[in-house]
Amino acid sequence: DVKVTQSSRYLVKRTGEKVFLECVQDMDHENMFWYRQDPGLGLRLIYFSYDVKMKEKGDIPEGYSVSREKKERFSLILESASTNQTSMYLCASSTSDSTGELFFGEGSRLTVL
Amino acid sequence: RKEVEQDPGPFNVPEGATVAFNCTYSNSASQSFFWYRQDCRKEPKLLMSVYSSGNEDGRFTAQLNRASQYISLLIRDSKLSDSATYLCVAGRDAGNKLTFGGGTRVLVKP
Repeated sequence: DVKVTQSSRYLVKRTGEKVFLECVQDMDHENMFWYRQDPGLGLRLIYFSYDVKMKEKGDIPEGYSVSREKKERFSLILESASTNQTSMYLCASSTSDSTGELFFGEGSRLTVL
Repeated sequence: RKEVEQDPGPFNVPEGATVAFNCTYSNSASQSFFWYRQDCRKEPKLLMSVYSSGNEDGRFTAQLNRASQYISLLIRDSKLSDSATYLCVAGRDAGNKLTFGGGTRVLVKP
């Protein structure tokens, strides 16, 4: 069964703290994505990666960075968390043949105080 | 203007009824289209792809109108378990770059 695992379901951080969100997939997928989901705004793409050590900006990359040192792991980093980064963060993966099917993790709900 | 727009609903549907809703997309370069389903407090999951000629999967029918740049989803014989948020998705760059709509909430009631 396909599995995308996000390390933390719920986090509470303070403004200015550095935050790491980890995502691991066990399907040997080439593509990995980070989205955030907010009421009324839907899912918005932050960053994505087509290969190890490769990354591309999505629609809202400001305030975020990513790391993909291994194929199965894609990390999202908030260098200095701000209250407007309070959100649900969803990691996803897909194969390189682009059937359009993304496999999502269960999400990480981040609250920045 | 959002690239993919949906009526947020909720659509309140009697059990057994038919419900249909649309989604519009603004980027004419979009090449692929999908409907995802998201249950409350769960992650989105692919419901079905949308093909140019329209396609059906059991009680679900999806249509694409490229001229007017909208896609639709119709659910027949609604079940209580169909209650969810349905996300419209448009893809470009060979399907790798997916843009999600805000979702349409459907509530099926007995």
